[in-house]
Amino acid sequence: EAGVVQSPRYKIIEKKQPVAFWCNPISGHNTLYWYRQNLGQGPELLIRYENEEAVDDSQLPKDRFSAERLKGVDSTLKIQPAELGDSAVYLCASSESWEQFFGPGTRLTVL
Amino acid sequence: QQQVKQSPQSLIVQKGGISIINCAYENTAFDYFPWYQQFPGKGPALLIAIRPDVSEKKEGRFTISFNKSAKQFSLHIMDSQPGDSATYFCAASSGGSNYKLTFGKGTLLTVNP
Repeated sequence: EAGVVQSPRYKIIEKKQPVAFWCNPISGHNTLYWYRQNLGQGPELLIRYENEEAVDDSQLPKDRFSAERLKGVDSTLKIQPAELGDSAVYLCASSESWEQFFGPGTRLTVL
Repeated sequence: QQQVKQSPQSLIVQKGGISIINCAYENTAFDYFPWYQQFPGKGPALLIAIRPDVSEKKEGRFTISFNKSAKQFSLHIMDSQPGDSATYFCAASSGGSNYKLTFGKGTLLTVNP
């Protein structure tokens, strides 16, 4: 069974530039999560989708972050414009019940 | 406000020893307590999980002990191996339609050969 796929794995950008991350969840998993993991910290939830619907986006900084999950499968997380403090690993996870399966993450560096 | 407090921040154990990592939570609505293992450059992977209706769960060398009254749970790694060297995260979530995981800050475990 293929795991959660994320791309790119690494991204380096200048501040104020836009950036996008892509996630392909495990086939059949209706729930998709985006987490942000700062260095030396545990992941923190940004947004959770049930199929196409964002059911929990309370932690998403909506002034600069946006996400979509068209057709209830793949998802894209966007930051525009990026700030220095956005440097982190962005993790995507999917689940069909309690257990969440994480992808390898995208390491974002904002210079 | 940190809802799940994890300790220690780092831990060094000799091969064959027992590694113990502790977590405490505040939200009494939490009813699912997983432990994740993360290697450098990888995403967290579920190691073992427990519900509050049992006080202990064992899977191979890994055991979760759960104390509901104290709102604490811990991970014990028996016969620790160098390959266990990783960062371990405890987490908690409440049930129903909310599967939001709240993670601890992690423990960097080093098992010396």
